Amino acid sequence: DAGVTQSPTHLIKTRGQQVTLRCSPKSGHDTVSWYQQALGQGPQFIFQYYEEEERQRGNFPDRFSGHQFPNYSSELNVNALLLGDSALYLCASSLAGTGNSPLHFGNGTRLTVT
Amino acid sequence: AQSVTQPDIHITVSEGASLELRCNYSYGATPYLFWYVQSPGQGLQLLLKYFSGDTLVQGIKGFEAEFKRSQSSFNLRKPSVHWSDAAEYFCAVGEGSARQLTFGSGTQLTVLP
Repeated sequence: DAGVTQSPTHLIKTRGQQVTLRCSPKSGHDTVSWYQQALGQGPQFIFQYYEEEERQRGNFPDRFSGHQFPNYSSELNVNALLLGDSALYLCASSLAGTGNSPLHFGNGTRLTVT
Repeated sequence: AQSVTQPDIHITVSEGASLELRCNYSYGATPYLFWYVQSPGQGLQLLLKYFSGDTLVQGIKGFEAEFKRSQSSFNLRKPSVHWSDAAEYFCAVGEGSARQLTFGSGTQLTVLP
């Protein structure tokens, strides 16, 4: 049973560039959430996708956008990269319904902005 | 808005000793509470969760946590720590669901042989 998979594992970009990160949810899950984890910090909620729509959003600027595909996989896009966007980006999946389905996390994509 | 405080940034224990990691939260209603563990270069693994009912919850790897509403706490415990428990531990709270979580800043656990 495949868990949450993310690609790529590492990425180096230059300020001002754009980046796309990808996530495949755990088998059977239909909801995908994205979190940003800066060095030495806990993860911070970016947004959540369900039925191909953004359902909830944390305190992140519009430079952060996403997409969910019919097969439940998801992309996180970040435009006009800043040095402060350097972080571990974590994807988590869960099952919609009662809200009791806990998040299952992938191993993350380490983004470095130079 | 909810918040989570993990007052201990770093804890060192000897292998075989008991462990308690502290977590305090701020949230008006009954929260959804979680403990996750993160090894270097890895994602987060769920140790245990509390939604309702019995305030003492058992998790994986021999961990347990107790929800104390009067103290707004959800401390994680293990009676005997193993070297493989060395990792970073995060407490998290969900507002009415398990999907949108607010995490604490984490506690780094070092285990001495």
